[in-house]
Amino acid sequence: AQSVTQPDIHITVSEGASLELRCNYSYGATPYLFWYVQSPGQGLQLLLKYFSGDTLVQGIKGFEAEFKRSQSSFNLRKPSVHWSDAAEYFCAVGALSGGYNKLIFGAGTRLAVHP
Amino acid sequence: GAVVSQHPSWVICKSGTSVKIECRSLDFQATTMFWYRQFPKQSLMLMATSNEGSKATYEQGVEKDKFLINHASLTLSTLTVTSAHPEDSSFYICSAPRATRTYEQYFGPGTRLTVT
Repeated sequence: AQSVTQPDIHITVSEGASLELRCNYSYGATPYLFWYVQSPGQGLQLLLKYFSGDTLVQGIKGFEAEFKRSQSSFNLRKPSVHWSDAAEYFCAVGALSGGYNKLIFGAGTRLAVHP
Repeated sequence: GAVVSQHPSWVICKSGTSVKIECRSLDFQATTMFWYRQFPKQSLMLMATSNEGSKATYEQGVEKDKFLINHASLTLSTLTVTSAHPEDSSFYICSAPRATRTYEQYFGPGTRLTVT
């Protein structure tokens, strides 16, 4: 069965520092991968997605992610974190189930940013 | 971009009452919508798939008689929590696929339900 693992529950970085959030997936075929961000009490906003092609994908807000099939990973990166990046980040994989294109989410990583 | 709205954004109800949450796609049609539940500091758990013109399909372990879903039109799905109890308190989020047969979904802002 498809699954997503985000090993880091909570990460704290200093403003201006680089960031990498880890995501590992389990999926038999070529996965459809997503990163979403959720601010407190809000819905989810899509940061970026990977379907095929270039394994390094660019997203909004200066984020990027790299798909590595050999490692079953889709880690999210940002070269310089801003205080406004503090939020919950979810990695997700698309899974066809019961005839529907569903999303399976990881547990999430909560990012705190120190000034 | 496409927008999905939810109403209300938060609601407080007494134990034993029922609460209805609306999910609307504002500028596109959605034959399918998804309902998620999120406990504090936890991930999203898919509860059910709402289908326009047919019955919803529920994930394993979700009580279909407690969480009634109606997809009344191509832009509206509703989730009714019947006979609510404090353990039903949660953040409920709906989403709609950007297009047919795509995994990308647009998410609503969520509804915070508190049952007292």
